[in-house]
Amino acid sequence: EAEVAQSPRYKITEKSQAVAFWCDPISGHATLYWYRQILGQGPELLVQFQDESVVDDSQLPKDRFSAERLKGVDSTLKIQPAELGDSAMYLCASSLGAIVRGTNEKLFFGSGTQLSVL
Amino acid sequence: GQQVMQIPQYQHVQEGEDFTTYCNSSTTLSNIQWYKQRPGGHPVFLIQLVKSGEVKKQKRLTFQFGEAKKNSSLHITATQTTDVGTYFCAGGANFGNEKLTFGTGTRLTIIP
Repeated sequence: EAEVAQSPRYKITEKSQAVAFWCDPISGHATLYWYRQILGQGPELLVQFQDESVVDDSQLPKDRFSAERLKGVDSTLKIQPAELGDSAMYLCASSLGAIVRGTNEKLFFGSGTQLSVL
Repeated sequence: GQQVMQIPQYQHVQEGEDFTTYCNSSTTLSNIQWYKQRPGGHPVFLIQLVKSGEVKKQKRLTFQFGEAKKNSSLHITATQTTDVGTYFCAGGANFGNEKLTFGTGTRLTIIP
């Protein structure tokens, strides 16, 4: 069964350093999402792409976070500089991208990148 | 903004007992989805409900969507050790931006 690929699986960094996460969605999925999940909480959407275009980045802290999906396939999420409060699981998800008003597609999540900022 | 709350936050049950988690939204939803996240794992889609009052079953799992489309529930009959994990609801609001808002989750542990 096709899966969403993410790397690295774990990342430990010191505050003020730069970190980057990579995601490769399921082949043919036009929509890609980056979520942040703090321990004990539900995933929170950071950014949503439709092909190479950003659809929603209202919750992305743009002073330090950036995301790109240049060719509309894989994506990179970057944090610079990292802060202690950024420690969390960063989940990538994808969906087919057949956007229909009034409903949502089911999401396929990757295994995530667990970030620890020291 | 839209808020989705779940209760209880934690639930410990003896194997074979039933389990229910409740999901409540601050706004009317266009649809609701349920996900399961095993310990150390990632969320996995279980089901989607769209219609007011809708009820769907998956083996021992029963999902309901409230008449007002502001609440939902997941009921598991005769829990098994494989049911361990955190169950999240995720609601979509029909404001022209079909963003899913995840609930706070209910963590289920099974006592063998």
